[in-house]
Order: sequence, then C-alpha cells, then structure tokens
Amino acid sequence: DQQVKQNSPSLSVQEGRISILNCDYTNSMFDYFLWYKKYPAEGPTFLISISSIKDKNEDGRFTVFLNKSAKHLSLHIVPSQPGDSAVYFCAARKLSGGSNYKLTFGKGTLLTVNP
Amino acid sequence: KAGVTQTPRYLIKTRGQQVTLSCSPISGHRSVSWYQQTPGQGLQFLFEYFSETQRNKGNFPGRFSGRQFSNSRSEMNVSTLELGDSALYLCASSLESRGFETQYFGPGTRLLVL
Repeated sequence: DQQVKQNSPSLSVQEGRISILNCDYTNSMFDYFLWYKKYPAEGPTFLISISSIKDKNEDGRFTVFLNKSAKHLSLHIVPSQPGDSAVYFCAARKLSGGSNYKLTFGKGTLLTVNP
Repeated sequence: KAGVTQTPRYLIKTRGQQVTLSCSPISGHRSVSWYQQTPGQGLQFLFEYFSETQRNKGNFPGRFSGRQFSNSRSEMNVSTLELGDSALYLCASSLESRGFETQYFGPGTRLLVL
C-alpha cells in the first residue's frame, strides 16, 4: 500500500519558469512532510519541510504547500534553474511506537529543467 | 566534517549468497537509518539504529538484518540473496532519531544480484 504517492514520474520545464511537483498521501497520522533532492550517484539531500499544522513554508526559491483536507502537498520552484534537475522525493513522517518516528517516501519525480 | 561514507560502493553477488554493507555516520551522529531504493518502489525504509539499539523496522523479511557498533558505525546484512534484492542501499545518519531534516545520506551501495 503506497501511503505517499508521487504520480508524475517525470516533469520537464523551461529555465526561469515555475516547477510544480505534487505529492499525495493517504495516512492522516503523518505529522510532518519533507522534500529531498537526489542527484545521480549521490544520496538524497534535505530540501524543505512543513509541519502538518501549517499550510505553507517558503525557503528562497522553494515553497511547499500543504492541503490537509485533500491530503496533498506540492513543491514549487521559482524560478527553475538547470541545476535543479534531479529526482525529488516527497516523504512523510509519523510516530512509530513511543517517541520513534519513521519516514515513508514516495517513488520520486525526475525534474528536468531545460536551458 | 566528513560526510556519511558507505562501503563498498558497488557489489555483484549471485543468488543465494549473503552480503554485508557498511556505513560510517558523520562524527557525533548516533542515529543510522538504512533504505532500499529500487526503480519500481522508490525509497523504502529498512531499519533505524540509535545507540546500538534497533529503534524502528520497515516491512522487510528477516533476511535483512543490521547492527550498530559502539562507535555508531552500522552494518546491514542480507542473507540468501534474491534477484529482487538488486537495488541501491542508502544509509543516513542524524544526531538523534527525530531529526529527519538533518538526516544526511551517504552515496549508497549499488548491489547487483545475478
């Protein structure tokens, strides 16, 4: 059962335009959401996160929006740059017994920003 | 500060064999998590160790096991390898087990099972 879904395996945008990456989840127990970026031959790196009590978090060119009623979050990159080309993973956190947390990842979306 | 290191980076094994992968976390980090990445399933959580104790476990068969040493270095072992175990195995470390924002990933070990 895929609790975190990234339905678009790939996305292609022009440099300078907006990139919108989407993520849906099914488990209402998730309390924190994160986006990671992964370049080939490297491990994922943390990009931005949002708590379930907020609906927006912004960090420079990156903004994450959360719609809890729709169980949907999105990552906006404005303006997109060729260096943003990577696989983006959406991840969700929930308690897994006691004070332990577990991350559940989506399958990732490959973003290609064309010069 | 050195990053998370994983050895070996590439590995080829045959079905039925067993394999041990190693992860050295960032100095001072006590939490080490392991993930399996495959094209079809994305990133899947295997287990997490904190101060030598397994704190969390994903939905993988018992063939997948791990341990953490007193210096926080961690190993994962896969016994009786299957073709479907071919994947990129990622290790991530953080200061403590709640800090996913500051979870640093290693480059991974790419395992190919023939």
